[in-house]
Amino acid sequence: AQKVTQAQTEISVVEKEDVTLDCVYETRDTTYYLFWYKQPPSGELVFLIRRNSFDEQNEISGRYSWNFQKSTSSFNFTITASQVVDSAVYFCALSGTNTGNQFYFGTGTSLTVIP
Amino acid sequence: DVKVTQSSRYLVKRTGEKVFLECVQDMDHENMFWYRQDPGLGLRLIYFSYDVKMKEKGDIPEGYSVSREKKERFSLILESASTNQTSMYLCASSGGGPPTNEKLFFGSGTQLSVL
Repeated sequence: AQKVTQAQTEISVVEKEDVTLDCVYETRDTTYYLFWYKQPPSGELVFLIRRNSFDEQNEISGRYSWNFQKSTSSFNFTITASQVVDSAVYFCALSGTNTGNQFYFGTGTSLTVIP
Repeated sequence: DVKVTQSSRYLVKRTGEKVFLECVQDMDHENMFWYRQDPGLGLRLIYFSYDVKMKEKGDIPEGYSVSREKKERFSLILESASTNQTSMYLCASSGGGPPTNEKLFFGSGTQLSVL
């Protein structure tokens, strides 16, 4: 079974604080891909990152960083020095070689950054 | 700037009406998807298409049909709208290769209310 769990439904932080969004996944595939998307209030989901299951290197892009740990089936997303523009709903997603051409999305984490 | 365009941002329909949601992409993508987004449920796949005139059912196809007569256009049809189809509908597209490897480009969504 393929499943993505984002246990944090809503998070509020004060501007400039760091925040980590959790993502835990389940899959029986040995080859799979993990994604993060951002959905601002405008509604359009925007791609942030894709990782494949063979690449466990952490990635940093500006204030964003991702921690992929196969041992705990987690792909967590950290925003450093949060800003008001980071306020959005963030989705983690999973796809794999046996998912029938589907992405499996988590239920999303709504992040509010308070000025 | 690449784009996925959904014809309406907000739509209000009556129970029993036939509803058409249109989606156009300008990236020459092979793969197109329709999702519905509901609070607490994340994104659920309704239908997808990997080529013109091809379609595949997703997780929740009941009550919906799709049409893809041209590569750039993917239409979602609610044959007889019901109140439980009130939702945010998101169209997405992705480029060549297995659909599950490539990142998705999303439209801004159509918030459909069925009264």
